[in-house]
Amino acid sequence: GAVVSQHPSWVICKSGTSVKIECRSLDFQATTMFWYRQFPKQSLMLMATSNEGSKATYEQGVEKDKFLINHASLTLSTLTVTSAHPEDSSFYICSAATPVETQYFGPGTRLLVL
Amino acid sequence: AQTVTQSQPEMSVQEAETVTLSCTYDTSESDYYLFWYKQPPSRQMILVIRQEAYKQQNATENRFSVNFQKAAKSFSLKISDSQLGDAAMYFCAYRSPLPAYKYIFGTGTRLKVLA
Repeated sequence: GAVVSQHPSWVICKSGTSVKIECRSLDFQATTMFWYRQFPKQSLMLMATSNEGSKATYEQGVEKDKFLINHASLTLSTLTVTSAHPEDSSFYICSAATPVETQYFGPGTRLLVL
Repeated sequence: AQTVTQSQPEMSVQEAETVTLSCTYDTSESDYYLFWYKQPPSRQMILVIRQEAYKQQNATENRFSVNFQKAAKSFSLKISDSQLGDAAMYFCAYRSPLPAYKYIFGTGTRLKVLA
């Protein structure tokens, strides 16, 4: 299957700072990237759908100003957690997809906000 | 709204035996995809198998097969000859139709494989 990288894999930051997570599809052009959040021992919760060159579509209850998503190219999408607080601590997973393919997942980013 | 339900939080199976994980979903669409994903302790999500709703034939991938019952909106995963490496969380997922497609996940089933 296709390879998707995610960086960083681990980040610890202070409350009030912003954190940027990058998601790259390494060997295919992804028209769509998805961002998920996963709490311990829970399922993946879709946060937003990102299409290249257009604004992200956020799921209900997800703050657009808190979680900024940019999909500038067919191989790169970024998630910026702005003014992070301890409740934003979680495991964030991106995936890259095309309409005819399944989604391919990045390895995830563990965010801890102190 | 589409929903995916996995009613088995945890299952156990003896090594080399067969186990079936259940999944039901709700949708008013006719054209969609269904998936089973595996999440081992590394937390890297891995595709196990996928099924197109328009296909009547059940998908199979080596030791993994599904029982897709479209009318009943049921999509179970059968793992044959279970191996220790099969131990993981298994998530059932529904993909909505184009153009604005997205994935909805079930709550997951933790599979334990007993030696």
